Amino acid sequence: KQEVTQIPAALSVPEGENLVLNCSFTDSAIYNLQWFRQDPGKGLTSLLLIQSSQREQTSGRLNASLDKSSGRSTLYIAASQPGDSATYLCAVSRLSNTGKLIFGQGTTLQVKP
Amino acid sequence: DGGITQSPKYLFRKEGQNVTLSCEQNLNHDAMYWYRQDPGQGLRLIYYSQIVNDFQKGDIAEGYSVSREKKESFPLTVTSAQKNPTAFYLCACRGGAEVGELFFGEGSRLTVL
Repeated sequence: KQEVTQIPAALSVPEGENLVLNCSFTDSAIYNLQWFRQDPGKGLTSLLLIQSSQREQTSGRLNASLDKSSGRSTLYIAASQPGDSATYLCAVSRLSNTGKLIFGQGTTLQVKP
Repeated sequence: DGGITQSPKYLFRKEGQNVTLSCEQNLNHDAMYWYRQDPGQGLRLIYYSQIVNDFQKGDIAEGYSVSREKKESFPLTVTSAQKNPTAFYLCACRGGAEVGELFFGEGSRLTVL
């Protein structure tokens, strides 16, 4: 059974710091991995999607990497800003392309001015 | 502009009552999903539909029902059989089969009094 774990559960950093959020999964047979952002009481906003054949994806200050063999993904945020404060969730899609995602519990990030 | 809309944003229900949550999308996406989010837990899949007039149970379908009569709409009914219905409910849709990126609505918070 696929399990997704995100460590740490919470993180607090000063503004301007570069940071890495971690995501691990137990079954390497995935179709893709997606990173989301969630603000309090809101829905999820898709940040980056990495197909199983890819190693990384970049969007602005965000870079996500995928290592299927070790069951790990990282989300790198460069030059963090207070507006980056939110909960970040990773999710893996099962091998069949149905769009069914298994989610981690998220990392809640606070960036202090 | 295109998007996915959930209503109502907040809903209160007495025990023993059924309630229906609305999800509408104008992205012309084929697949739609309902997830449930509880504090400290990742999202869990309730039901999903890959095409009109067809839907499948997810991991926690008991006490819920759905319909998919139109491509744009995927309403979720929380029945009185659902033992612990208080939660945040999120609807999502997915477009191109190849890419598989999910887009979420803003969520509906259901509280049972």
